[in-house]
Amino acid sequence: DTGVSQNPRHKITKRGQNVTFRCDPISEHNRLYWYRQTLGQGPEFLTYFQNEAQLEKSRLLSDRFSAERPKGSFSTLEIQRTEQGDSAMYLCASSRALGQATTTEAFFGQGTRLTVV
Amino acid sequence: AQKVTQAQTEISVVEKEDVTLDCVYETRDTTYYLFWYKQPPSGELVFLIRRNSFDEQNEISGRYSWNFQKSTSSFNFTITASQVVDSAVYFCALTDVFSGGYNKLIFGAGTRLAVHP
Repeated sequence: DTGVSQNPRHKITKRGQNVTFRCDPISEHNRLYWYRQTLGQGPEFLTYFQNEAQLEKSRLLSDRFSAERPKGSFSTLEIQRTEQGDSAMYLCASSRALGQATTTEAFFGQGTRLTVV
Repeated sequence: AQKVTQAQTEISVVEKEDVTLDCVYETRDTTYYLFWYKQPPSGELVFLIRRNSFDEQNEISGRYSWNFQKSTSSFNFTITASQVVDSAVYFCALTDVFSGGYNKLIFGAGTRLAVHP
């Protein structure tokens, strides 16, 4: 296990279509995060999981977005009825919670670049 | 609200020059973490350093050094004797610390560093 893996790396879709991305975290990591990065900006937090529980969602995550982590391992991020404004890089990261008060640093995947045409 | 400002959008230097990337942050929390990440053209964010708010000691790692000054809310990053391989976008990030450990990172907009031969 060499790091966080994201698939696909690139996705081009027509406006209105649904898309799903997958993230496989580092195997011993119990926390998984999704971020969105638009051109020329830093990543923006979308949501995170501890094991299978989704603990926080950003206001950026509209009703068209849904994330799951069914068995506490890999995660999927689905965007329904895509819009051109959804075009961005979607980054996944993982870390390991060491107890209540601390975690290891987050390791990021290479991202999925979404283009909505 | 938390905020990270990286005022330098792009920096261009010639190899072997020293370069400092600025980071200014805002937070009401008394306990927080600061980070620097590197994003090469491949897209994944590479962790460089984490610093907690109680540790103001400067840190040096090879050609990299970090200057944390709570009085000015700054966490600057210096690369000594820059190399072409240092060319990337560098992000400064901030997170609060509370029970459950830190989770979402607040990123600055990034500084694109170009090192020319």
